[in-house]
Amino acid sequence: SQKIEQNSEALNIQEGKTATLTCNYTNYSPAYLQWYRQDPGRGPVFLLLIRENEKEKRKERLKVTFDTTLKQSLFHITASQPADSATYLCAPSEGGTASKLTFGTGTRLQVTL
Amino acid sequence: NAGVMQNPRHLVRRRGQEARLRCSPMKGHSHVYWYRQLPEEGLKFMVYLQKENIIDESGMPKERFSAEFPKEGPSILRIQQVVRGDSAAYFCASSPTDYNSPLHFGNGTRLTVT
Repeated sequence: SQKIEQNSEALNIQEGKTATLTCNYTNYSPAYLQWYRQDPGRGPVFLLLIRENEKEKRKERLKVTFDTTLKQSLFHITASQPADSATYLCAPSEGGTASKLTFGTGTRLQVTL
Repeated sequence: NAGVMQNPRHLVRRRGQEARLRCSPMKGHSHVYWYRQLPEEGLKFMVYLQKENIIDESGMPKERFSAEFPKEGPSILRIQQVVRGDSAAYFCASSPTDYNSPLHFGNGTRLTVT
């Protein structure tokens, strides 16, 4: 069956460092992969989408990589700030006209001063 | 431009009652998705609707749960005869198209069944 794995343990890093979150998937052939941020008591917010033919995508302090051979995506936040503290969700999708997005359980990031 | 609006934000129901959750998608979005999130668990897909049509309900429990997205008005997720296990956060999302579209989520309805 299809499986999305994100590190369930919280990631604690110091302000200013780079945070790297991992998303591994099995039994998927995703056409694209999305990353979302979720704060407590709120709905997820879209951050980045990367397609299978893209190795890397950047947006301000965010960078996403997509390795279809390793079946893995990495999500980096450079110069992290306490305001980056949240849970980050990955969602690979095989696309298609009636595709639904399936989410990993997310990794909680805590950035401390 | 208002985002996805869900109401109520909190809903308390006794076992056996009905729960109705409403979702107004973003303006211009005709695709609506419902997800359920249990404490310490991930978002689980329930149903995908377009105006007046259910496209994919593979994540919806076969009994007691139903969803609609009428031509006019919000999408409704209805849970009949609620049980304690239905307590969760229910999120609605919308998108302008169904392919490669990022989802825009509301802030959810937290259902508590007592």
